Amino acid sequence: QVQLQESGPGLVKPSQTLSLTCTVSGDSISSNDYYWSWIRQHPGKGLEWIGYIFYSGSTHYNPSFRSPVTISIDTSKNQFSLNLTSVTAADTAVYFCARDRGGGLGYFDSWGQGTLVTVSS
Amino acid sequence: DIQMTQSPSSLSASVGDRVTITCRASQSISNYLNWYQQKPGKAPKLLIYAASSLESGVPSRFSGSGSGTDFTLTIRSLQPEDFATYYCQQSYSIYTFGQGTKLEIK
Repeated sequence: QVQLQESGPGLVKPSQTLSLTCTVSGDSISSNDYYWSWIRQHPGKGLEWIGYIFYSGSTHYNPSFRSPVTISIDTSKNQFSLNLTSVTAADTAVYFCARDRGGGLGYFDSWGQGTLVTVSS
Repeated sequence: DIQMTQSPSSLSASVGDRVTITCRASQSISNYLNWYQQKPGKAPKLLIYAASSLESGVPSRFSGSGSGTDFTLTIRSLQPEDFATYYCQQSYSIYTFGQGTKLEIK
């Protein structure tokens, strides 16, 4: 059974970079069957898809996402990561990593528990 | 972006009731529509994918239907653990979610 776990700082200063890592266990991140996504949820609000990465390193980002974003992958560690640069208070949210069943189907069948990141000085 | 609009935004119901939540897309998305359940402080949980396919392990009282722009999630005979917020999500193009429907106990 696959498990995902987010890790990273819970507090980031404005204009700095938010960096989170998702560690995947119980499944290989190098599988052809899945994409690996980041999704966030502002406090008390709905869900916003940030982007995904395939094991090959190819990425797809939400063009409506305001903050500059990079998703990377380390197959040797079975991890993928999120970097948001020049963050503002508007980036305060719970960040989830999730497995996307892929194959054009685009649904998230496994999620991390989520990690709250607060942007504040 | 494709906008997803759920209705109602909130709903009160009793254990044993049948409940229907609607999700409308701003353009046709075929059957690229998924449903999730989220409880406070938890990650969303996949219930239905491809509009009507029940995710493994999800109780059969949950069902989904629709295609094109109009979709429904039906919960037959509500159980106490079903009180949560429900989200639809389209995967036809850039993934977007509905704003959520909060299902509360009457």
